[in-house]
Amino acid sequence: NAGVMQNPRHLVRRRGQEARLRCSPMKGHSHVYWYRQLPEEGLKFMVYLQKENIIDESGMPKERFSAEFPKEGPSILRIQQVVRGDSAAYFCASSPPWGTGNTDTQYFGPGTRLTVL
Amino acid sequence: KNEVEQSPQNLTAQEGEFITINCSYSVGISALHWLQQHPGGGIVSLFMLSSGKKKHGRLIATINIQEKHSSLHITASHPRDSAVYICAVTGNQFYFGTGTSLTVIP
Repeated sequence: NAGVMQNPRHLVRRRGQEARLRCSPMKGHSHVYWYRQLPEEGLKFMVYLQKENIIDESGMPKERFSAEFPKEGPSILRIQQVVRGDSAAYFCASSPPWGTGNTDTQYFGPGTRLTVL
Repeated sequence: KNEVEQSPQNLTAQEGEFITINCSYSVGISALHWLQQHPGGGIVSLFMLSSGKKKHGRLIATINIQEKHSSLHITASHPRDSAVYICAVTGNQFYFGTGTSLTVIP
């Protein structure tokens, strides 16, 4: 059973470009979480999604950031018109569906390191 | 004030020492997590606790709900334990501590 997959592992963008980060949860997991770790700072929660639904986006910046978790395919974190302050490591985690396991246990992906030039 | 506070921020230990990392939180929670972040950046979930104590190998995690406090213990520490250990809580939101950077010297 493959773990949580994220790609790309490293992404370089120029200011103003778009960044798309992908997260494939563990097989059978229907909950996905996105976290951001700014340089020299701790992890910050961004958004919690289930298939086709955003459950909690209280940690998402109000502009330029969006996330989706479609019925088929990976979860996507999209950052439009990137700025240098978006440079960070973005981690995805997944957990099992309700009633099939402990949804409080999250399995982390390796992260995507975004560098904005 | 952060919702989750960890101490110490940095810790250096000799191989074989017993290590304790503390975490205090100020919000209502449904679970507390201990995470390990390796120098390469990867994150591993070590424990999820809602009460009591859990043990996995040389790692022990305890939580006191009344005192809003958790500890992570490492027995017989080894250089490969060197990493950043992060306490996180889930309640109405997700909150993370800033991490404890542990270095174990051979």
